[in-house]
Amino acid sequence: QVQFVQSGAEVKKPGASVKVSCKTSGYRFINYGISWVRQAPGQGLEWMGWISPYNGHKKFAQKFQDTVIMTTDTSTTTAYLELRSLRSDDTAVYYCARGNEEFEMWGQGTAVTVSS
Amino acid sequence: QVVLTQSPSASASLGASVKLTCTLSSGHHDYVIAWHQLQPEKGPRYLMKLNTDGSHIKGAGIPDRFSGSISGAERYLTISSLQSEDEADYYCQTWGAGNVVFGGGTKLTVL
Repeated sequence: QVQFVQSGAEVKKPGASVKVSCKTSGYRFINYGISWVRQAPGQGLEWMGWISPYNGHKKFAQKFQDTVIMTTDTSTTTAYLELRSLRSDDTAVYYCARGNEEFEMWGQGTAVTVSS
Repeated sequence: QVVLTQSPSASASLGASVKLTCTLSSGHHDYVIAWHQLQPEKGPRYLMKLNTDGSHIKGAGIPDRFSGSISGAERYLTISSLQSEDEADYYCQTWGAGNVVFGGGTKLTVL
């Protein structure tokens, strides 16, 4: 059974960093990319980018090219999304998903709140 | 870049059917799309992939009440025998040239 389990909610101050984890199980981790998608309050889903656990290749949406770090750990089949220099408009629910195009499995989401 | 347009809201009665629409931008009518459901306080749920020939491949465990179809630039998600748990936001999504695009989402209210 394929499962994606994300880390818990975070509250951070502006300028801080946060690292969200996405623990996967039930399939061969290196066979699929991991994408990250976010939903800001009152907004729709927004694709941020994806990473290949196989070779580390990454592709980012232009908006996020300089602000996010995506990594994977094949030994623990976990993907990570790190956001640096947080701003209030980074407040959102962040989701991981399996695939780089078609997202057949999703994590439950991690709420990140940026507030002073 | 392809743009997906969805109506912000839709409503239908319990037990009835509803057809949600996702419109592909001009010049992008040959794109495959996927439909996702986002229920309150839950993660998104993959519903199906809708191919350009109108065939669809549903995700694991998706009931037969959910089906997809196409007409030109329009991509449809039909939900029949509406249940209260179908009240959710529905997003269409596509991909190409290394990018992924979501529609704005449709909030479905079950009356």
